Amino acid sequence: KQEVTQIPAALSVPEGENLVLNCSFTDSAIYNLQWFRQDPGKGLTSLLLIQSSQREQTSGRLNASLDKSSGRSTLYIAASQPGDSATYLCAVRAPKTDNYGQNFVFGPGTRLSVLP
Amino acid sequence: DAMVIQNPRYQVTQFGKPVTLSCSQTLNHNVMYWYQQKSSQAPKLLFHYYDKDFNNEADTPDNFQSRRPNTSFCFLDIRSPGLGDTAMYLCATSRDGTDNFYSNQPQHFGDGTRLSIL
Repeated sequence: KQEVTQIPAALSVPEGENLVLNCSFTDSAIYNLQWFRQDPGKGLTSLLLIQSSQREQTSGRLNASLDKSSGRSTLYIAASQPGDSATYLCAVRAPKTDNYGQNFVFGPGTRLSVLP
Repeated sequence: DAMVIQNPRYQVTQFGKPVTLSCSQTLNHNVMYWYQQKSSQAPKLLFHYYDKDFNNEADTPDNFQSRRPNTSFCFLDIRSPGLGDTAMYLCATSRDGTDNFYSNQPQHFGDGTRLSIL
């Protein structure tokens, strides 16, 4: 059974720092991995999607990497800002054993606080 | 220009009183999902519709049901809510290929409905 973990559970950094969030998954047979941002009381906003054949994706100050063989992904945030404060979740999309089922498994998230 | 819209944003209902949450999308995506997210936990997939075909997760309680009358709309029905059903309910959509081909398209989420059972 696919399990996704995220370390650390919470992180507090001063504004301007570069930081790395970690995501680990137990089964390397994935289709893709997606990073999301969730603000308090809100839904999930997609940040980056990495396909299983890709090594990294970049969007602005965000860079996500994927090492499928080791079951790891990292989200790098450059020059952090207070507006980056949110919970960051990763999710893998993996095949299921039944008919055309789809399996999205989320990690519990990392709660990030960027202090002004 | 919201693409996945959930209503209501907040819902308070009494223990045992049926409740329906709605989700609509303007993306014309063929797959729609319902997730339950409890406080400080990861979203948990309840079920999804692949076009008109309903796919229930094995551990989704029988108390939870869903309807998808057309491509744009999907409903989550909780027949007899219990206190443990208090959570954020998230709707998501994606575009997927047919049969065993899974396209690598992202999931798009709505803002969620925060449900409180009293």
